[in-house]
Amino acid sequence: AQSVTQLGSHVSVSEGALVLLRCNYSSSVPPYLFWYVQYPNQGLQLLLKYTSAATLVKGINGFEAEFKKSETSFHLTKPSAHMSDAAEYFCAVSSNQGGKLIFGQGTELSVKP
Amino acid sequence: DTAVSQTPKYLVTQMGNDKSIKCEQNLGHDTMYWYKQDSKKFLKIMFSYNNKELIINETVPNRFSPKSPDKAHLNLHINSLELGDSAVYFCASSQPGADTQYFGPGTRLTVL
Repeated sequence: AQSVTQLGSHVSVSEGALVLLRCNYSSSVPPYLFWYVQYPNQGLQLLLKYTSAATLVKGINGFEAEFKKSETSFHLTKPSAHMSDAAEYFCAVSSNQGGKLIFGQGTELSVKP
Repeated sequence: DTAVSQTPKYLVTQMGNDKSIKCEQNLGHDTMYWYKQDSKKFLKIMFSYNNKELIINETVPNRFSPKSPDKAHLNLHINSLELGDSAVYFCASSQPGADTQYFGPGTRLTVL
């Protein structure tokens, strides 16, 4: 079985500060890992994905994530937060056996001026 | 060009009614999904179809019936709506396996 845990339902940072959103996964098979962003009243947009290639994955809007098998983690980072980054962020896990995404609980990111 | 579209965007209805939500994708994908997002924003898979064939049914009540007339469309019909069905329903599509899923804008269903 697969599962995802996102630590912190709400994270608040100042504009220009480092963004760190935490995600830990559990998977009995090699995982595929995703970060999606959801802006208010919109659908989900893919930020980045890990599919067993490079462990450091770069995504859109300056975000990146590092796959650490020993820590079963896939934390999302951005060096400098922008006001437009305020949104809900979801970590998700999948496998190559069916493709369904299993989501974490989501983390709401607030950016203060 | 909209990749994954859903209609309607908002749906307000009374308990006991039957309603449908439509989803269309123009990405040429073989696989389509329905997810439910509850009031706490938790997202959970409901169904998955691959080339019009049901491949995932996550213990969803029988009142929910997906229908795929062709691989570009996956509609969701809900019978005898209950208060607990109020949620945002998202359609998504991808190539088979664990490829990136592209999500529609969502349909906010409110059952009164």
